Amino acid sequence: AQSVTQLDSQVPVFEEAPVELRCNYSSSVSVYLFWYVQYPNQGLQLLLKYLSGSTLVKGINGFEAEFNKSQTSFHLRKPSVHISDTAEYFCAVFGGTSYGKLTFGQGTILTVHP
Amino acid sequence: DAEITQSPRHKITETGRQVTLACHQTWNHNNMFWYRQDLGHGLRLIHYSYGVQDTNKGEVSDGYSVSRSNTEDLPLTLESAASSQTSVYFCASSDHGETQYFGPGTRLLVL
Repeated sequence: AQSVTQLDSQVPVFEEAPVELRCNYSSSVSVYLFWYVQYPNQGLQLLLKYLSGSTLVKGINGFEAEFNKSQTSFHLRKPSVHISDTAEYFCAVFGGTSYGKLTFGQGTILTVHP
Repeated sequence: DAEITQSPRHKITETGRQVTLACHQTWNHNNMFWYRQDLGHGLRLIHYSYGVQDTNKGEVSDGYSVSRSNTEDLPLTLESAASSQTSVYFCASSDHGETQYFGPGTRLLVL
């Protein structure tokens, strides 16, 4: 079975600074990779996904992520964050030995300070 | 617009009571999922369904059950609520593909 590890439980950052949220996964077969965002008291919203092709994936709200197969990583980045980016971010893996199901990481709380 | 809704949004119940959380989607998706969200654990899969009359156990299914009598609905039942089931519950759906769409969640408190 696959697993997902988000390396930071909390990331504080100042407004307009760059940010990277780290995600590593383990799987013996090819998988699809996702980042979801959860704003306070809301459901999860898809931020971006990697299925195949270019390893640099662009998503909504200026976020992007890079798939690195050799390091089994899928880190999320944004060059300049806003206060409104404060939320919890989840990395998830789809497929492999758990076909049809998503396996989530523990989540990273991003807090943007003015 | 198609959507996925959950009800109630907030629920307080007592230990030992049976509780049912509703999930309704208008995407006409075949696949539906129930997760619980707890601090430090992310989202964990409770049950899932790939179509009408199909149900499967996820990684934390003990004490929960689901039934799928139509495409649109997948109610989650807590047979005898326990304090350990205090959590936020999310329903999701997907077509044959990999992208899941999530409902707004139900906050359940078991006293």
